Amino acid sequence: EVQLVESGGGLVQPGGSLRLSCAASGFTFSSFAMIWVRQAPGKGLEWVSTITGSGGSTYYADSVKGRFTISRDNSKNTLYLQMNSLRAEDTAVYYCAKAPNRYGDYVDYWGQGTLVTVSS
Amino acid sequence: EIVLTQSPGTLSLSPGERATLSCRASQRVSSSYLAWYQQKPGQAPRLLIYGASSRATGIPDRFSGSGSGTDFILTISRLEPEDFAVYYCQQYGNSPFTFGPGTKVDIK
Repeated sequence: EVQLVESGGGLVQPGGSLRLSCAASGFTFSSFAMIWVRQAPGKGLEWVSTITGSGGSTYYADSVKGRFTISRDNSKNTLYLQMNSLRAEDTAVYYCAKAPNRYGDYVDYWGQGTLVTVSS
Repeated sequence: EIVLTQSPGTLSLSPGERATLSCRASQRVSSSYLAWYQQKPGQAPRLLIYGASSRATGIPDRFSGSGSGTDFILTISRLEPEDFAVYYCQQYGNSPFTFGPGTKVDIK
């Protein structure tokens, strides 16, 4: 059974940093691209970033490019999202998600999400 | 960036009725790389359809997807009580892999 468990969310001040983690199990982690999707309170879904199975390619939404960094440790079956220079508009539930192949595409499994609140 | 527009914003229907949800793209979605998701309050989204018309594992056959190019449709043939939720489309043909704003299907 595929399981994705996010951690690392919390309250951070504007301009601060936070690192999210996602522990994956139930599948061969290195064979699949991984994705972060966020959802602001009461709003829709926003794709944030994708990393290929090998970690060799990464993609970002314009809204986070240059501030967020996606990475993965295939030896630990863990996905990360380093978030710097956080803004109020980054407040959201962040979902860790799995793609159906090593390149990206859509999401076939979702974690339950971790809430990030950016506020002074 | 491909912008997705979903209509209607809210669809009020009764159980047993047919639901037709639209997703329109600002430019052609390559290779019909279009997915649909369902989200219920307090839950993570769930994949329903990928490749515009392929049902995901475990999805009932009352859900069907169609379309190509810039116009896509999600149809729920007969609404069950558990189908009342918000539905999102997403294109994954071109980065950034954008989502639509969602259609809420609520009980009339």
